[in-house]
Amino acid sequence: AQSVTQLDSHVSVSEGTPVLLRCNYSSSYSPSLFWYVQHPNKGLQLLLKYTSAATLVKGINGFEAEFKKSETSFHLTKPSAHMSDAAEYFCVVSDEASNYQLIWGAGTKLIIKP
Amino acid sequence: NAGVTQTPKFQVLKTGQSMTLQCAQDMNHNSMYWYRQDPGMGLRLIYYSASEGTTDKGEVPNGYNVSRLNKREFSLRLESAAPSQTSVYFCASRITGASYEQYFGPGTRLTVT
Repeated sequence: AQSVTQLDSHVSVSEGTPVLLRCNYSSSYSPSLFWYVQHPNKGLQLLLKYTSAATLVKGINGFEAEFKKSETSFHLTKPSAHMSDAAEYFCVVSDEASNYQLIWGAGTKLIIKP
Repeated sequence: NAGVTQTPKFQVLKTGQSMTLQCAQDMNHNSMYWYRQDPGMGLRLIYYSASEGTTDKGEVPNGYNVSRLNKREFSLRLESAAPSQTSVYFCASRITGASYEQYFGPGTRLTVT
């Protein structure tokens, strides 16, 4: 069955330092993978998606993620954190076996220290 | 385009009361979804509608009903609210074709006392 594991429930970084949010997935098929962001008391916004094209995917606000099939990972990175990046981030997988439904990770809360 | 809209934004119910959450999208999407979000958990699918006239259960359908009124609108009904249904509810719609991304509404924060 498909599943998503976000390895950290909270990540705290200083402003201007790199961000790494880790995600591992389980899928028997060629998956599509997404990162969504949710700012406090706001809705969900798509950051980026992987759908079997280039393995390094660039998203909005300077974020990018790399699809590594051998490691079943899709980690989210940003070279330099900004205070406005403080939010909750969700890794999501979808494939044919899930009838293209989105399977969500539990989320990682990103905290930015001034 | 307004995208996906939801009403109301906030609601407080007493146990046993009923209510309907409304969702509409103006992107001509075929598929629509209802999720709930609870603290420390990812979104869980309640019901979805792959196309107008069809609805299917998701992961947590108990205590809910849905209606796909037309292509634009997809409502979620709680017939007899319970405290366990206190949550934030999100509606989403999906573009057809090979891309599976979903577009989300702003959410409804529901408290059942």
